[in-house]
Amino acid sequence: NAGVMQNPRHLVRRRGQEARLRCSPMKGHSHVYWYRQLPEEGLKFMVYLQKENIIDESGMPKERFSAEFPKEGPSILRIQQVVRGDSAAYFCASSPLTNTGELFFGEGSRLTVL
Amino acid sequence: GQQLNQSPQSMFIQEGEDVSMNCTSSSIFNTWLWYKQDPGEGPVLLIALYKAGELTSNGRLTAQFGITRKDSFLNISASIPSDVGIYFCAGFGNQGGKLIFGQGTELSVKP
Repeated sequence: NAGVMQNPRHLVRRRGQEARLRCSPMKGHSHVYWYRQLPEEGLKFMVYLQKENIIDESGMPKERFSAEFPKEGPSILRIQQVVRGDSAAYFCASSPLTNTGELFFGEGSRLTVL
Repeated sequence: GQQLNQSPQSMFIQEGEDVSMNCTSSSIFNTWLWYKQDPGEGPVLLIALYKAGELTSNGRLTAQFGITRKDSFLNISASIPSDVGIYFCAGFGNQGGKLIFGQGTELSVKP
């Protein structure tokens, strides 16, 4: 299966801990996006990355959140000092070099903060 | 941030009925897309529309890109139980490379 792979699928953290979510894009895709979905809500854009570059991080909270897409390895969304309000499903998507808006989504990582 | 207004928020229909949902924006988009999300899964692309006025079908699904480029609708004909899920509209092309999503329409189909 060459789809977008996210892990972990479920993550439980206590307040103040760190959460790291990983995303491997589809083979041949060079654009990665992270979206957050709160219960009963739509998908909110967080960040758009290409290899070693952050293209648009206008949806990222100013503090505690960071993202990277290194030359080798998966994209990482990192949340430091988690709070209960960070509980959500985090979706990664990828698209090929020519970005037409057609995104391929992973199955998501569901973060629960106790 | 920019928002797409999607309606209705939820629909409860009988199997075999037709369904219609729409999306509007205060801004112009170059591309309109419709995605479906099943419970516990990520969204999956259903239809993409690239030209104002374009009408595109995919099986029982039909979608149109509004002539003003500020709206789109999705129709599902002869609904079946597996149509259950959340349908999202999305706009692309006026804010760099990012896709902006509507709030979703949750569809329930009664057999």
